[in-house]
Amino acid sequence: NAGVTQTPKFRVLKTGQSMTLLCAQDMNHEYMYWYRQDPGMGLRLIHYSVGEGTTAKGEVPDGYNVSRLKKQNFLLGLESAAPSQTSVYFCASSGPRGGLTGTDTQYFGPGTRLTVL
Amino acid sequence: AQSVAQPEDQVNVAEGNPLTVKCTYSVSGNPYLFWYVQYPNRGLQFLLKYITGDNLVKGSYGFEAEFNKSQTSFHLKKPSALVSDSALYFCAVPMDSSYKLIFGSGTRLLVRP
Repeated sequence: NAGVTQTPKFRVLKTGQSMTLLCAQDMNHEYMYWYRQDPGMGLRLIHYSVGEGTTAKGEVPDGYNVSRLKKQNFLLGLESAAPSQTSVYFCASSGPRGGLTGTDTQYFGPGTRLTVL
Repeated sequence: AQSVAQPEDQVNVAEGNPLTVKCTYSVSGNPYLFWYVQYPNRGLQFLLKYITGDNLVKGSYGFEAEFNKSQTSFHLKKPSALVSDSALYFCAVPMDSSYKLIFGSGTRLLVRP
């Protein structure tokens, strides 16, 4: 089991360029998430998905788009990168496993460090 | 609205001494609480969670956390710290009892030899 993997690990963009971050999980999880991590701010939810073909906005969705065409993959896109999007991006996935809502453990990928110049 | 607070940006402790990383919460309904750890240049790893039952929850790597309803706290503890415990620790709570998590700002733990 590879768990949650992310591609690429590092990327440098110029303002206005576009890119796609790929997340893959092999745990057959229904839910997938994209977070960004900035110093002193913890992790903030960008977008999430509750199943194949579905996506929804999180806490900080502006400037990002996502797609979940296959259950195991969750893509995060930046159409026109801005310096404010310099951050570390984490993908995560979780159950559900039939327990109480809100009790599932999320499993995280290793992260993508993005710098926008 | 659900929230968690980690009042300390950094905790310093000597190897072999007990450690505590603090977390307080504000939730409506039943509190489900999580601790995650992030080692340098790595993703977050699950440590433990409280759902219901025993107030003392045991987790990975010898960590435990004590749920205190009257003080609305869920502090992470370890009886004897290791240098390898040095990392960033996050407390989290589900958003409105959903599957989405709200994370605290994180506490950096430094264990000196």
